[in-house]
Amino acid sequence: GQQVMQIPQYQHVQEGEDFTTYCNSSTTLSNIQWYKQRPGGHPVFLIQLVKSGEVKKQKRLTFQFGEAKKNSSLHITATQTTDVGTYFCAGPSPSSGSARQLTFGSGTQLTVLP
Amino acid sequence: DAGVIQSPRHEVTEMGQEVTLRCKPISGHDYLFWYRQTMMRGLELLIYFNNNVPIDDSGMPEDRFSAKMPNASFSTLKIQPSEPRDSAVYFCASRTGQNTEAFFGQGTRLTVV
Repeated sequence: GQQVMQIPQYQHVQEGEDFTTYCNSSTTLSNIQWYKQRPGGHPVFLIQLVKSGEVKKQKRLTFQFGEAKKNSSLHITATQTTDVGTYFCAGPSPSSGSARQLTFGSGTQLTVLP
Repeated sequence: DAGVIQSPRHEVTEMGQEVTLRCKPISGHDYLFWYRQTMMRGLELLIYFNNNVPIDDSGMPEDRFSAKMPNASFSTLKIQPSEPRDSAVYFCASRTGQNTEAFFGQGTRLTVV
């Protein structure tokens, strides 16, 4: 299929614990984006990574692009209940490599227990 | 800009009926994407347009699905005839250029009974 693999599919954490989701592609990606979808909502853009080995931070969120540009991770430090939702990575089609296409990973659904 | 606007927000229809979903992208955006989201299959790309031209429709499930973009400010996704397995949330998204963030509409929740 078109999807980039993400693991884990589900994650339950206690509030205050850390959380990490991983995105893996069999082909090199020119860039990767991350989105968050709250329950009942729509995906909302978080960030884009372009350079090999790039690391970007947004408050408690740290995004990383692998050296080979085939994988990426999102790490949340000290989760809060507001972090609940599904996190998706997205990028060009892994099969065609077309930069015009935007294909989403399978997503990681995060539940934060108070 | 009001963002990407989709209508209707909810649609309940009987099997066999025609369903038309509508999308108004953000003004100036030259890419428009249609996605379908289900628990089983996640967020699937159905088709996308660039400058109103369909570029890749390989994600369209079957001939019952069709999409058009008659102008830069309007697109439709039509299902005819609809089936219960088409029940899902359908999202429209738009962006300007390659490698830029995509903006999603609120989605249309379709239920086919």
